[in-house]
Amino acid sequence: DQQVKQNSPSLSVQEGRISILNCDYTNSMFDYFLWYKKYPAEGPTFLISISSIKDKNEDGRFTVFLNKSAKHLSLHIVPSQPGDSAVYFCAAWYSGGGADGLTFGKGTHLIIQP
Amino acid sequence: DSGVTQTPKHLITATGQRVTLRCSPRSGDLSVYWYQQSLDQGLQFLIQYYNGEERAKGNILERFSAQQFPDLHSELNLSSLELGDSALYFCASSVSGALNEQFFGPGTRLTVL
Repeated sequence: DQQVKQNSPSLSVQEGRISILNCDYTNSMFDYFLWYKKYPAEGPTFLISISSIKDKNEDGRFTVFLNKSAKHLSLHIVPSQPGDSAVYFCAAWYSGGGADGLTFGKGTHLIIQP
Repeated sequence: DSGVTQTPKHLITATGQRVTLRCSPRSGDLSVYWYQQSLDQGLQFLIQYYNGEERAKGNILERFSAQQFPDLHSELNLSSLELGDSALYFCASSVSGALNEQFFGPGTRLTVL
């Protein structure tokens, strides 16, 4: 059973517009969430995270929103730039576990159109 | 460049064989993590070492084993390989073990024929 789901395998957005990537989770024990970005032939890179005690975290063009009641988080990128074209992974973790508690979604391929 | 190196970049082998993947963490990082990314399973945590000792274990098969050496590099050993073991294997490292401080290597692509 997939505990972290990214239902959109791909997303196409025009340059300069907002990109919204979504992630749903099922395990209510998750209390820390991360977004990673991955370019082809490279490893994932940590992008931004949010603790379950918050509902928003912002870092430059990137904002993550958490809706605990809906078990849903989203990553907003504003404005979208060509270099944002990559695969984005959502991950969730519960502090009761160690690194073995880290669960990833299958990723969303974001394509920024010029 | 994350500073984490993995060798080899590509590995092609046959079913039933044994391979060793190597990871050198960033200078100063004590923790090493191994992940597997396959087409159907996505990215999965396998195992974590901290300063030579196993810290956490994930979905690692019994046919797989790992260790972290005194110089902090790590090796992931995969034996009795099956077609389904074909995947990208990533190593990541961090100073303290904090998840948001992980730096990933470029990965080793394993193809089992």
